[in-house]
Amino acid sequence: DAGVIQSPRHEVTEMGQEVTLRCKPISGHNSLFWYRQTMMRGLELLIYFNNNVPIDDSGMPEDRFSAKMPNASFSTLKIQPSEPRDSAVYFCASSPGQGRSYEQYFGPGTRLTVT
Amino acid sequence: AQSVTQPDIHITVSEGASLELRCNYSYGATPYLFWYVQSPGQGLQLLLKYFSGDTLVQGIKGFEAEFKRSQSSFNLRKPSVHWSDAAEYFCAVGLSNFGNEKLTFGTGTRLTIIP
Repeated sequence: DAGVIQSPRHEVTEMGQEVTLRCKPISGHNSLFWYRQTMMRGLELLIYFNNNVPIDDSGMPEDRFSAKMPNASFSTLKIQPSEPRDSAVYFCASSPGQGRSYEQYFGPGTRLTVT
Repeated sequence: AQSVTQPDIHITVSEGASLELRCNYSYGATPYLFWYVQSPGQGLQLLLKYFSGDTLVQGIKGFEAEFKRSQSSFNLRKPSVHWSDAAEYFCAVGLSNFGNEKLTFGTGTRLTIIP
């Protein structure tokens, strides 16, 4: 299995630009999570989906952030407009569900730099 | 709400020495407990997990952890560390009620190995 795939691995953009991060979960997994990691705030859960439905988006910082999961094999996290304080590593993780929901498998992350 | 405390921000040990990383949690019931490892530039990898049953759990890479309910602790141990164990280690807690898959992560402990 290829594991969780994220793209791009690195993104550098200017303040005000739209940024889209992409994630392909492990095939057969029912749940998908988006996290943000910074030195100041550590690892924060932004949103998670179960069977493509958003279950908890309480961690999404503000309206500039949006996430979608149009099908079981793809999800996006969009920031529009981006700000320097959005600079962080964004991780996507997926889990099998069905009694093993807590075994989250992480992707390699996308390092976002907003200048 | 549940919380996780990793009191040691940074630990340095000699190669071949034993290791113990501390984790304390706060939760009204028995939580699901996890240890993850993050190597530089990588995503998080699941080391081991505790759901129920035997309080001493074995994980990958020779790690083990012991759940102590009386101390609300889930410390990670390894009898002899290798240089490749240098990484950041995260303890996480999940709620034990069905349907809620959120994990709360500790702030992490960075492990440095010296020759």
